[in-house]
Amino acid sequence: GENVEQHPSTLSVQEGDSAVIKCTYSDSASNYFPWYKQELGKRPQLIIDIRSNVGEKKDQRIAVTLNKTAKHFSLHITETQPEDSAVYFCAASTPGGGNKLTFGTGTQLKVEL
Amino acid sequence: DTEVTQTPKHLVMGMTNKKSLKCEQHMGHRAMYWYKQKAKKPPELMFVYSYEKLSINESVPSRFSPECPNSSLLNLHLHALQPEDSALYLCASSRDSRVQPQHFGDGTRLSIL
Repeated sequence: GENVEQHPSTLSVQEGDSAVIKCTYSDSASNYFPWYKQELGKRPQLIIDIRSNVGEKKDQRIAVTLNKTAKHFSLHITETQPEDSAVYFCAASTPGGGNKLTFGTGTQLKVEL
Repeated sequence: DTEVTQTPKHLVMGMTNKKSLKCEQHMGHRAMYWYKQKAKKPPELMFVYSYEKLSINESVPSRFSPECPNSSLLNLHLHALQPEDSALYLCASSRDSRVQPQHFGDGTRLSIL
């Protein structure tokens, strides 16, 4: 089955800096890659996603890049703000798998003033 | 606002009790999911319902019994749970069970005494 690795497990940045979180996946058939933000005690919130027919997608300060050859995808947050502090999970889904999401282990992002 | 509604928000039960978790969505989604999430871990898929039929059971113990009475409702019946079953139980929905974005509810925080 699919396996997703996520790095780093913790990331501390200064407000205004950029943050990058990286994930690798094992199943070359995976074709959908969402990113979720989960604040303490709250639900995972879908913040951006990308499909395998696209190499990059951007939404304001958030962008995701996908390298299918290397089976890597990354989340980029620019101009970080304290409210960006949360746990971020990447995930991958394979066609025909009932839309099962395989999650990475999560990255605790802390944006310091 | 959360479009997937879960009740109750918190539940404390003994190991001999029977209780149920409820999930409701009115987005016309035809796939619904139950996940279990332990502290500082990613969500783990338990069950997937597609068009009110159980399509995936991730080898979940029989003390967890899912039910999908109609396309808007998903229940999780609990009986004879163990202390290690204490966790956040998340419901999610998507348009269908092909590769689609999943939207999560706020979860039920379950504590087993």
